[in-house]
Amino acid sequence: EAGVTQFPSHSVIEKGQTVTLRCDPISGHDNLYWYRRVMGKEIKFLLHFVKESKQDESGMPNNRFLAERTGGTYSTLKVQPAELEDSGVYFCASSQDRIRGGYNEQFFGPGTRLTVL
Amino acid sequence: AQSVTQPDIHITVSEGASLELRCNYSYGATPYLFWYVQSPGQGLQLLLKYFSGDTLVQGIKGFEAEFKRSQSSFNLRKPSVHWSDAAEYFCAVGARLAAGNKLTFGGGTRVLVKP
Repeated sequence: EAGVTQFPSHSVIEKGQTVTLRCDPISGHDNLYWYRRVMGKEIKFLLHFVKESKQDESGMPNNRFLAERTGGTYSTLKVQPAELEDSGVYFCASSQDRIRGGYNEQFFGPGTRLTVL
Repeated sequence: AQSVTQPDIHITVSEGASLELRCNYSYGATPYLFWYVQSPGQGLQLLLKYFSGDTLVQGIKGFEAEFKRSQSSFNLRKPSVHWSDAAEYFCAVGARLAAGNKLTFGGGTRVLVKP
């Protein structure tokens, strides 16, 4: 079974440009999460999809970030326009439907390293 | 709000020696606790988790962790380190009551293994 995949693995863009990151979750996983690690900081939650709906987007830093999950399969995270402080590693994770009162393991992708110059 | 602290940014250990990575959390109740490892070029891999019950949990790759409620700690240990354990390790908390089960991570500890 394929794991969570992310594309591209690296992206280098200039300030003001647009970048779109893609995440393909494990097949059948309804939950999809985006996290980000800025250099030297901890990994921080950005948002959570359940199927195609945004369940929690409390971690999105500002309106330059737009996440979509059309059809409830893969997800994209667009940064427009990119700023220097957006540089970091963007992780995607997926999990199955949440067990009532329980917790489903989140499976992480390898991340996309974004560098904004 | 929940938070996680990993006091050690870097740890260097000799191959064959024991390893202990510290993790302290702040949360209003008993949280879900996790340790993840990230090897170079890889995603985060779950080493072990604590939900309830026995406070000493066993994980993959010979790792174990102990939940100590009184100290709000969840330290990770391995009795004998292998060169392949060189990686970055992350402690994380998952809120029991949050609808989305999002994770809050510590800053990570990078482990270097000396021959």
